[in-house]
Amino acid sequence: EAQVTQNPRYLITVTGKKLTVTCSQNMNHEYMSWYRQDPGLGLRQIYYSMNVEVTDKGDVPEGYKVSRKEKRNFPLILESPSPNQTSLYFCASSPHTTGTTGELFFGEGSRLTVL
Amino acid sequence: AQKITQTQPGMFVQEKEAVTLDCTYDTSDQSYGLFWYKQPSSGEMIFLIYQGSYDEQNATEGRYSLNFQKARKSANLVISASQLGDSAMYFCAMRETPYAGNNRKLIWGLGTSLAVNP
Repeated sequence: EAQVTQNPRYLITVTGKKLTVTCSQNMNHEYMSWYRQDPGLGLRQIYYSMNVEVTDKGDVPEGYKVSRKEKRNFPLILESPSPNQTSLYFCASSPHTTGTTGELFFGEGSRLTVL
Repeated sequence: AQKITQTQPGMFVQEKEAVTLDCTYDTSDQSYGLFWYKQPSSGEMIFLIYQGSYDEQNATEGRYSLNFQKARKSANLVISASQLGDSAMYFCAMRETPYAGNNRKLIWGLGTSLAVNP
């Protein structure tokens, strides 16, 4: 089954304790991206990656890091989480193939609470 | 700057009736794509339908259709024969094409919460 898999789905952590949210897709998509969803602010892009070893900042990258060492994986790293990073996080992927709509395929979301 | 506006925070519809969810957008680009996604209470984002700015016909996908009025910059989602499982948040989103800087970022509205009553 074609899917984007995120882990963990739910996490409660404390300020300053490094954490990683993993994202893996099995569709051989070149493009991957992270979004966060907050009430009243909607979905905002954190980082994106065009391909292996190619990453760039989105609209709200502060406090986050990413890496793309393999095509299928795009982990989101919070080096020193703070309460304002409490949010619902989505990983998404998309193919580069022309002629498609280029819609984003989303993971199930990771709900993170930072105390 | 690009912007998506969804003016209906919440909507109710009777089961088996049709419902229209509004979406207006603002862009100075001639080429863009419009998307609708569904987010059930479980949280995942499910792609529903896509409309390209140069598509001459309104997009349809099963019970979903998109009422695209380019001059008015509106892209309303129509759900026919509503089902209880349609209760969810619905998001309208837009992306420039060709992709600005190769980033496939979507600009999102704040969503409409749809409740289908039995």
